[in-house]
Amino acid sequence: GENVEQHPSTLSVQEGDSAVIKCTYSDSASNYFPWYKQELGKGPQLIIDIRSNVGEKKDQRIAVTLNKTAKHFSLHITETQPEDSAVYFCAASTTRGSTLGRLYFGRGTQLTVWP
Amino acid sequence: EAGVAQSPRYKIIEKRQSVAFWCNPISGHATLYWYQQILGQGPKLLIQFQNNGVVDDSQLPKDRFSAERLKGVDSTLKIQPAKLEDSAVYLCASSLMPGTVNEKLFFGSGTQLSVL
Repeated sequence: GENVEQHPSTLSVQEGDSAVIKCTYSDSASNYFPWYKQELGKGPQLIIDIRSNVGEKKDQRIAVTLNKTAKHFSLHITETQPEDSAVYFCAASTTRGSTLGRLYFGRGTQLTVWP
Repeated sequence: EAGVAQSPRYKIIEKRQSVAFWCNPISGHATLYWYQQILGQGPKLLIQFQNNGVVDDSQLPKDRFSAERLKGVDSTLKIQPAKLEDSAVYLCASSLMPGTVNEKLFFGSGTQLSVL
């Protein structure tokens, strides 16, 4: 099955700085890559996603890039704010057969933004 | 629009006891998922339903876990008997149509299970 690795496991930045989280995946059939933000005591919330036919996608301060050849994708958060502090998960999904729609998650990155 | 509803929010039981979790997905979402999230890890799929049929239960420990979605809407996940290693957050998620532009998964707040 798919294996998603995520780095770093913890990330501390000063308010206003940028934060970058990187993920790699193993299955070349994966074609959908969402990012989730999870705050303490809550379920994961989708913040941005990208499909394999697109190299980059932006939504205000958040952007995701995808390199299909290298099988890695990254989350970029600019002008970080204290409310961005949370655990961020990357995930990958394939349209192959019985695993259609199944998300494989990384282990998460604890982002802390210091005021 | 209402999100994915789960109950209870917390549950504490002793090992070998049984426990059940309930989930109501977003209205109209045909696909429902149960994920297990152990502390410090990403969610791991336990079972996936399409309407009231099971699509993928390859990661479900079937000797103790069971799940059903009888009318294609809400779902229950049961553990019997529970083990210490079942302590985790159990997340329910739903999506409109996997493998399409409507494949976004929406998660509930989860049920935090502690097995003592």
